[in-house]
Amino acid sequence: DGGITQSPKYLFRKEGQNVTLSCEQNLNHDAMYWYRQDPGQGLRLIYYSQIVNDFQKGDIAEGYSVSREKKESFPLTVTSAQKNPTAFYLCASSASGASYNEQFFGPGTRLTVL
Amino acid sequence: AQSVSQHNHHVILSEAASLELGCNYSYGGTVNLFWYVQYPGQHLQLLLKYFSGDPLVKGIKGFEAEFIKSKFSFNLRKPSVQWSDTAEYFCAVNGKAGTALIFGKGTTLSVSS
Repeated sequence: DGGITQSPKYLFRKEGQNVTLSCEQNLNHDAMYWYRQDPGQGLRLIYYSQIVNDFQKGDIAEGYSVSREKKESFPLTVTSAQKNPTAFYLCASSASGASYNEQFFGPGTRLTVL
Repeated sequence: AQSVSQHNHHVILSEAASLELGCNYSYGGTVNLFWYVQYPGQHLQLLLKYFSGDPLVKGIKGFEAEFIKSKFSFNLRKPSVQWSDTAEYFCAVNGKAGTALIFGKGTTLSVSS
């Protein structure tokens, strides 16, 4: 089945540690996105990538980093510089960066900082 | 900058009641508009979208939305809700190619049987 996988589903981290969230898609989509979801805040864009080896900061990129070395993969690293990392993280992809393309979402990773 | 406003944070309805969720956006150019739904424990999924043509668009599960350009609105409607419609609903806009969606803060719909 085609889709987006995110792992792990739940992740616990101690303060001061970096952690990497995985996102893989087999939809052959060019564009990929990372969002953060907090209660009552909706989805806020962290980073997005329209093509391999290229990505742009979203509205809340501080304390996060990404890479796009392969078309199907877009991992997100939450660094110790992120002040409030506990949240639900959603990865998405779309066929291209055209504005009419719907985005398909993964199941999400819930990160808790202890 | 683009932004999306959803007026209702939490809506509580009885089964068979009619639903209308408000969504307004701010962007001066051509827009593409989306409604996504997140059922408890499930992926965020597309309900419907508008990018051109008939301003009344129909989506899955009996939902529809009307794009009113003069009011910068894209309200979601359903004539008769079911208990299974209990979910969180997000309105989103994308005005420029090569950029990502801008989401509203979401509306939680609770339907009692």
